[in-house]
Amino acid sequence: DTEVTQTPKHLVMGMTNKKSLKCEQHMGHRAMYWYKQKAKKPPELMFVYSYEKLSINESVPSRFSPECPNSSLLNLHLHALQPEDSALYLCASSQRGTGGRNEQFFGPGTRLTVL
Amino acid sequence: DAKTTQPNSMESNEEEPVHLPCNHSTISGTDYIHWYRQLPSQGPEYVIHGLTSNVNNRMASLAIAEDRKSSTLILHRATLRDAAVYYCILSRPYNQGGKLIFGQGTELSVKP
Repeated sequence: DTEVTQTPKHLVMGMTNKKSLKCEQHMGHRAMYWYKQKAKKPPELMFVYSYEKLSINESVPSRFSPECPNSSLLNLHLHALQPEDSALYLCASSQRGTGGRNEQFFGPGTRLTVL
Repeated sequence: DAKTTQPNSMESNEEEPVHLPCNHSTISGTDYIHWYRQLPSQGPEYVIHGLTSNVNNRMASLAIAEDRKSSTLILHRATLRDAAVYYCILSRPYNQGGKLIFGQGTELSVKP
């Protein structure tokens, strides 16, 4: 299994809702990432988990809350989002830690719309 | 902060070589140069990476300037399936944050 899966593919939520995005990989990778991508822009890093510990938080608002229950699973909990948070949310993983020569494997993303 | 600069768009004809340039004049000595591409409605896909020497793999070649301030991704024979946004990226070592620093990307279109 050489892929990163993300669910759901699409999500529409109101500003008062609470929802979660899920990401899974079974490649034995020890680093996992959340990115946000707006239309026609490159992905922007949000969070990095390395060996199940949060190692990077790019000053993301607290309405986004990441969780890494185990080495294969990464969640992003969403609460009280704003319409400008509408974007494609990408999950990625890499084999050994982060950066350097490590190749990242990306999932297909969750398209989030906040009404 | 280090960053990469790429042309916004390029066009190619099918079955011809494509050279995608990238400038990274403020690259640090320990930054790796990565290229990823993103096809429509998909997540980015790894293409190739290098540090100082030119690199080849089944997808592409990466030519790195001697001073490392620029690099070129070479697709040897473009196909219609190569139409995508190509990102030139600097990859920081783990002990310097371990992040991928994305450029703005070059949108490659391939004409039959």
